[in-house]
Amino acid sequence: GNSVTQMEGPVTLSEEAFLTINCTYTATGYPSLFWYVQYPGEGLQLLLKATKADDKGSNKGFEATYRKETTSFHLEKGSVQVSDSAVYFCALRSGGSYIPTFGRGTSLIVHP
Amino acid sequence: EPEVTQTPSHQVTQMGQEVILRCVPISNHLYFYWYRQILGQKVEFLVSFYNNEISEKSEIFDDQFSVERPDGSNFTLKIRSTKLEDSAMYFCASSEAKGGNTIYFGEGSWLTVV
Repeated sequence: GNSVTQMEGPVTLSEEAFLTINCTYTATGYPSLFWYVQYPGEGLQLLLKATKADDKGSNKGFEATYRKETTSFHLEKGSVQVSDSAVYFCALRSGGSYIPTFGRGTSLIVHP
Repeated sequence: EPEVTQTPSHQVTQMGQEVILRCVPISNHLYFYWYRQILGQKVEFLVSFYNNEISEKSEIFDDQFSVERPDGSNFTLKIRSTKLEDSAMYFCASSEAKGGNTIYFGEGSWLTVV
């Protein structure tokens, strides 16, 4: 079956630090991969996605590259801001189902 | 920006009581979903709904759960006889198309069963 494993949080960083949140997956077929973000008091929002191997998704300074050889989709940002404090969810959707499978989420706390 | 809204934001209920969680999906969306997240665990799919019927459900979605679209705008999740292990954040979501790349989520309803 499909599954997503994310690094445990919280991840605590100072402003302008480099961010990596690890995500690995298990899937049948060739999945599409997603990162969602949940800001305090809001719903999950799609942050970025990649639909095939070696694709790089990017948005708001965040990037993630679909690595088929390591079954990974790590989220990175070169310089985080306090406003990036949120919970980040890695997710996948495989060809056999239109229902996304999520990880448990990783909380990011950025201090000024 | 259109959004999915959920009520209540937090509900505390006694074990064995019935709970109804409400959601208003985005108005032109046709597919609706419920997910839940038990504290510290993964966000788990419960059920999807299209054209007034369930289109997919997980093994979590047993006979104590039901969904309904009573009036063309609300989408509800009913838990018939709550158990302690039903305590979780419940997320409603909607999308324009089946498996549409953009699934819009509500902010969630915290359910605490005591």
